[in-house]
Amino acid sequence: AQSVTQLDSQVPVFEEAPVELRCNYSSSVSVYLFWYVQYPNQGLQLLLKYLSGSTLVKGINGFEAEFNKSQTSFHLRKPSVHISDTAEYFCAVSDGGGSEKLVFGKGTKLTVNP
Amino acid sequence: DVKVTQSSRYLVKRTGEKVFLECVQDMDHENMFWYRQDPGLGLRLIYFSYDVKMKEKGDIPEGYSVSREKKERFSLILESASTNQTSMYLCASQTGISYEQYFGPGTRLTVT
Repeated sequence: AQSVTQLDSQVPVFEEAPVELRCNYSSSVSVYLFWYVQYPNQGLQLLLKYLSGSTLVKGINGFEAEFNKSQTSFHLRKPSVHISDTAEYFCAVSDGGGSEKLVFGKGTKLTVNP
Repeated sequence: DVKVTQSSRYLVKRTGEKVFLECVQDMDHENMFWYRQDPGLGLRLIYFSYDVKMKEKGDIPEGYSVSREKKERFSLILESASTNQTSMYLCASQTGISYEQYFGPGTRLTVT
């Protein structure tokens, strides 16, 4: 079974600074990869997904992620963050082995300061 | 757009009560999931269902049961609520094509 590691539990940044949220997963077999965002007291909303094809994936709100198979990573980036990006971000990976479940990381809380 | 709704946003129950959390999706998805979310622990899978009347235990099923009598509705049941079940509960439905999951707004349950 897969496991997912989000290396930073909290990331504080200043407004308009670039940000990278890191995600590594355990198995290099064929996977589907996702980043979700959760605003306070809300459910999770899909930011972007990698299913196949180009390793650079663009999502909503100016976010992008790069799939790196050799490093089993799927890091999320944004070149210039806004206050409204303050939220918790979750990386998720398909469990593999015929299972349709997703395995979620523990989350990274991004705080954007003025 | 896919819509997943949950019956309550906030719920307060007493220890020992039977609690029902309801989830409804409108996209004819086969798969539905119940997670609980706790600070620092991320999302943990309680149960999932891959068809009507079909269910499978997730990582933390103890103290919970589920019911899926209709395709669009997936219920989570706490037979006898305990304080350690105070948590945020998230329901999701899933398309079988891309494994993408669609989440409801969550129910914050407090057991006193």
